[in-house]
Amino acid sequence: AQSVTQPDIHITVSEGASLELRCNYSYGATPYLFWYVQSPGQGLQLLLKYFSGDTLVQGIKGFEAEFKRSQSSFNLRKPSVHWSDAAEYFCAVGAEGNTGKLIFGQGTTLQVKP
Amino acid sequence: DTAVSQTPKYLVTQMGNDKSIKCEQNLGHDTMYWYKQDSKKFLKIMFSYNNKELIINETVPNRFSPKSPDKAHLNLHINSLELGDSAVYFCASSGPAGTYNSPLHFGNGTRLTVT
Repeated sequence: AQSVTQPDIHITVSEGASLELRCNYSYGATPYLFWYVQSPGQGLQLLLKYFSGDTLVQGIKGFEAEFKRSQSSFNLRKPSVHWSDAAEYFCAVGAEGNTGKLIFGQGTTLQVKP
Repeated sequence: DTAVSQTPKYLVTQMGNDKSIKCEQNLGHDTMYWYKQDSKKFLKIMFSYNNKELIINETVPNRFSPKSPDKAHLNLHINSLELGDSAVYFCASSGPAGTYNSPLHFGNGTRLTVT
């Protein structure tokens, strides 16, 4: 069965430091991969997505992610974190069958220290 | 001009009651969804409608009944509420199902608390 794993439940980084959030997926074919961000009391906002082509994708708010098929990973990165980046981050994979259904990881809470 | 709007934002009710959550999208999308986020923030799909037709029905108790009067609205009715139904319920919409090129747009969620 398809699944998404985000190994880090909680990460704390200092403002200005670099960030990498890990995501591993389980899927036989080429996956559709997404990163969403959820601010407190808000819905989820799409940061970026990967369908095919260039394995390094750029998103909003200065985020990027790299698809590595050999590692079944789609890690999210940002070179310099801002205090406003503190939020919950979700990795997701499009389910088989092209129904539009997304399978989410359990999320990573990002805390930013001043 | 909110793209996906849900009402109410908060809902506190007692066990055994029946309640509804409403969702409307003004994006012209064909597909709408209900997701449930539990206390550990895990998100799981419940239902999906494409142009008023049910296309995804996950393993959800039949106390939960979605209704889509038109493609811009997808409401969720819950009968005989139980403590375990306490969660945040998110409505979302997207372009035609099966085209992941159109990402999900989420509402801000409805926090349901059953006492």
